[in-house]
Amino acid sequence: DADVTQTPRNRITKTGKRIMLECSQTKGHDRMYWYRQDPGLGLRLIYYSFDVKDINKGEISDGYSVSRQAQAKFSLSLESAIPNQTALYFCATSDPDRVEQYFGPGTRLTVT
Amino acid sequence: GQNIDQPTEMTATEGAIVQINCTYQTSGFNGLFWYQQHAGEAPTFLSYNVLDGLEEKGRFSSFLSRSKGYSYLLLKELQMKDSASYLCAVVTSGTYKYIFGTGTRLKVLA
Repeated sequence: DADVTQTPRNRITKTGKRIMLECSQTKGHDRMYWYRQDPGLGLRLIYYSFDVKDINKGEISDGYSVSRQAQAKFSLSLESAIPNQTALYFCATSDPDRVEQYFGPGTRLTVT
Repeated sequence: GQNIDQPTEMTATEGAIVQINCTYQTSGFNGLFWYQQHAGEAPTFLSYNVLDGLEEKGRFSSFLSRSKGYSYLLLKELQMKDSASYLCAVVTSGTYKYIFGTGTRLKVLA
């Protein structure tokens, strides 16, 4: 079984809809991250969390919110989706003792 | 500001050696990563450098010069499966945020 899972893997939604992307991990890591990836722009950090009570904005948090329901779960919400939020979204985890990040398989989101 | 630069695209021949460069300017430094990403897939870890010098791991090596804000990834004995994007990322000190470059798309030709 994959250590970091994301649901859904693909989603098409309409402008103005609320949508939630979920991330779960079995690695036991405290640190979790949400990124979006756009062609030519690389991976950009949306939000990150270093433990259940810690939530921090990344470089592009406007239009997004997150919830850290448990050590293993970190959800990303788009309150009112817009077309320029069409992108590939990745969740990642890391261990404080090993700086390497482990990525989930990604969610391809299309907003029409 | 924070900036990481790497070439957009490179092409090389199967069996050859290719060097992918990365320069960075960040507020604080706690290490530099290289990740490999095949199209539509998740990035996977290749290497981590926190001290100056060369780290070798099989066909892949990574070099870091902190004083120059420079790193490179060296791929030897290129194989077709090495066709992918290679992402350079810096971990900033203090907040441990990861800043990614836009990636270098490598095409390996037969």
